[in-house]
Amino acid sequence: DTVLTQSPALAVSPGERVSISCRASEGVNSYMHWYQQKPGQQPKLLIYKASNLASGVPARFSGSGSGTDFTLTIDPVEADDTATYFCQQSWNDPYTFGAGTKLELK
Amino acid sequence: QVQLKETGPGLVQPTQTLSITCTVSGFSLTSYYMQWVRQTPGKGLEWMGFIRSGGSTEYNSEFKSRLSISRDTSKNQVFLKMNSLKTEDTGVYYCARDLNYGFDYWGQGVMVTVSS
Repeated sequence: DTVLTQSPALAVSPGERVSISCRASEGVNSYMHWYQQKPGQQPKLLIYKASNLASGVPARFSGSGSGTDFTLTIDPVEADDTATYFCQQSWNDPYTFGAGTKLELK
Repeated sequence: QVQLKETGPGLVQPTQTLSITCTVSGFSLTSYYMQWVRQTPGKGLEWMGFIRSGGSTEYNSEFKSRLSISRDTSKNQVFLKMNSLKTEDTGVYYCARDLNYGFDYWGQGVMVTVSS
């Protein structure tokens, strides 16, 4: 299976820029997607196919990367962005998710 | 507007079968793939399988031997059935609509506890 590795946690101050990384154990072309999940809620699609902003998602969120290395960037970070962020690949079978990066605000 | 809602038993005994229904509105099941994803304390988010817009299915091999996904398009419902449940299957089960590039709408999830 394709393993997606994310750093477990990050802490940033409001107004700053933060980059969340996701590294795949094998190539996933551009089929990497990013989700935001707040406690008690379902995941919400932020970015699809590496760099495409999902409908209704603020332009503060952006994605980049291809192959095995991908990044989700939030600039500027707002208080409401406190959440866990997951990457997911849909290129290789089975689809897999990262373990998530918990973003905390200082 | 697009909505998805899972309904299920809440508590299931070990070795028994789990049945969950996902009822959708605002779109047609014949136009989108529908996914099942679960979130467990032990493994986090796990992709389970999907049913295509045409009705064929694909499963994660981890669940293949005990998982079945089906649908009733006339009722706008997708079904998950998984047998031989274990305590490790405890978690939240989600249905989600597949945009082809990521899952753009998710249900609120149904918590399933496997316990005697």
